[in-house]
Amino acid sequence: DIQMTQSPSTLSASVGDRVTITCRASQNINRWLAWYQQKPGKAPKLLISQASSLESGVPSRFSGSGSGTEFSFTISSLQPDDFATYYCQQYNTYSTFGQGTKVEIK
Amino acid sequence: EVQLVESGGDLVQPGGSLRLSCAASGFTFSDYWMHWVRQAPGKGLVWVSRINSDESITSYADSVKGRFTISRDNAKNTLYLQMNSLRAEDTAVFYCARSTGASFFHHWGPGTLVTVSS
Repeated sequence: DIQMTQSPSTLSASVGDRVTITCRASQNINRWLAWYQQKPGKAPKLLISQASSLESGVPSRFSGSGSGTEFSFTISSLQPDDFATYYCQQYNTYSTFGQGTKVEIK
Repeated sequence: EVQLVESGGDLVQPGGSLRLSCAASGFTFSDYWMHWVRQAPGKGLVWVSRINSDESITSYADSVKGRFTISRDNAKNTLYLQMNSLRAEDTAVFYCARSTGASFFHHWGPGTLVTVSS
């Protein structure tokens, strides 16, 4: 099974900050990686697929990069609506989620 | 508009059974793979199972293999998850999700809560 290690688990930041989350796969997943945002009591929302492809309607301050086993997700300027939990997901072999990163207000 | 709505969540005793449903609308259901993902209270997302468009391929997480069965009725635009031998650790919100092929999940339902407790 492919394991996804996401870090950090919690991130404290202020509005306007640049924040980066990393995700490491236990084996090569090429670029078969997605990023989701989840707010309390809500279903996850797809932000990025294929490591760096931004979904339609998602603000350009969100971006993703990486391939193979190392990936990153960046919010260039944190906005009030961005405080949430973010998950990476590999879909190279079945599906595995990272443990999640809670972005909280500093 | 794509809509997925889960139902069937309930309080059930350990060892019991439950069947979840996911009603789909706003798209051609029979064209898409479907998945179940769960989230225990305060915990992260865990993929549970998937089924391809014509039911010829099903897959399960090791934690539910042999206990859960995924199925679909394309005529009724509905996805199912039959859950048997339920354990306390199966307590979670269960989401259904849609993917194009065996890929990422573009659409999710709001979830249904399953509580396993005596």
